Amino acid sequence: EAGVAQSPRYKIIEKRQSVAFWCNPISGHATLYWYQQILGQGPKLLIQFQNNGVVDDSQLPKDRFSAERLKGVDSTLKIQPAKLEDSAVYLCASSPIQGASGNTIYFGEGSWLTVV
Amino acid sequence: RKEVEQDPGPFNVPEGATVAFNCTYSNSASQSFFWYRQDCRKEPKLLMSVYSSGNEDGRFTAQLNRASQYISLLIRDSKLSDSATYLCVVSLFNDYKLSFGAGTTVTVRA
Repeated sequence: EAGVAQSPRYKIIEKRQSVAFWCNPISGHATLYWYQQILGQGPKLLIQFQNNGVVDDSQLPKDRFSAERLKGVDSTLKIQPAKLEDSAVYLCASSPIQGASGNTIYFGEGSWLTVV
Repeated sequence: RKEVEQDPGPFNVPEGATVAFNCTYSNSASQSFFWYRQDCRKEPKLLMSVYSSGNEDGRFTAQLNRASQYISLLIRDSKLSDSATYLCVVSLFNDYKLSFGAGTTVTVRA
């Protein structure tokens, strides 16, 4: 079974530029998450989708971050304009069910962002 | 206060040794507990769930102490391949929000 796919794996941009990350969840998984993991910290949930609807985006900095999952499958996370503190790994995860417990969430390898 | 706190380590141990570390959580309503493993520059992966009565998975033993609000992980007979960061994860009952600790780094040396 194919895992969660993410691209690009690595990106270096200057502050105030924009960047977009793409995620394709495991086939059939209705729930998709974007997490931000800053070096030395645990992952922090940015946004959760159930199919193509947003379930929780309370921790998404909406002045600069946006995310969409238009057809309920793959998703894009955008940052515009980027700040130095956005340097992190952006992890996409998926789950087959809503209200997933920690033993039913699968992470992609992440997209590493460095803002200089 | 952070929702989940862990000793960052690192714990440097020789092969074959036993290493143990804890994680504390602040929300007494937390119901589900997990240990995840994260290798360098890799994604987190579920190591094991933690049950109220404690549970083992091979060389790994997890314990939960609800009264003191902490969970523990013990690794017996450490292998070089156990070198990783171990993330403590808690969530409320049937709540999709997982709260991750910052991780405890374990390095096993030959």
